Amino acid sequence: KAGVTQTPRYLIKTRGQQVTLSCSPISGHRSVSWYQQTPGQGLQFLFEYFSETQRNKGNFPGRFSGRQFSNSRSEMNVSTLELGDSALYLCASSQPGTGSKSPLHFGNGTRLTVT
Amino acid sequence: KNQVEQSPQSLIILEGKNCTLQCNYTVSPFSNLRWYKQDTGRGPVSLTIMTFSENTKSNGRYTATLDADTKQSSLHITASQLSDSASYICVASDQTGANNLFFGTGTRLTVIP
Repeated sequence: KAGVTQTPRYLIKTRGQQVTLSCSPISGHRSVSWYQQTPGQGLQFLFEYFSETQRNKGNFPGRFSGRQFSNSRSEMNVSTLELGDSALYLCASSQPGTGSKSPLHFGNGTRLTVT
Repeated sequence: KNQVEQSPQSLIILEGKNCTLQCNYTVSPFSNLRWYKQDTGRGPVSLTIMTFSENTKSNGRYTATLDADTKQSSLHITASQLSDSASYICVASDQTGANNLFFGTGTRLTVIP
């Protein structure tokens, strides 16, 4: 089974631009969540989608948004980029029906650099 | 406030030696405790998941322990290998319907020959 795939692996953008990141979950996984990882803060939860609906949202400004498609693939968008948005963005999928012990399966992330 | 703290922040050990990483959490109501390994440039990989009723769980040379009374967990690595060099992240989950996850900032382990 293929793992979680994130594209692109690297992105360089300038302040004020917007960016869209893509995530393809493991086949059969309907839950997709997004995280921002920075050296000082560790992993910060952005949002979670399940069956095309946002189920949970972290404490990030409205510039960060996401969506999930009917095939469970997900995208996240960051508008009006700021220098502080430079980070590794990780996507994770999990299998439904296993309750709170569902392990998260992470992709290898998209490294975003804002200049 | 729900939070997870890990210690030490970084650790260097010789190949073949054992080590123990610590995790303290204040998540309530508590559901489960997870350990992840993250190699440089890669996403985290799940090592163990323990509910409040489990005291220990092993995955090869990795053994995690959980004391739900003191809200502490540890990850013990036996006979370390160079490939164990990575960041180890502790994650606590609550029992709310949202199954919120609270992440520690990780312990950076370096194994040297």
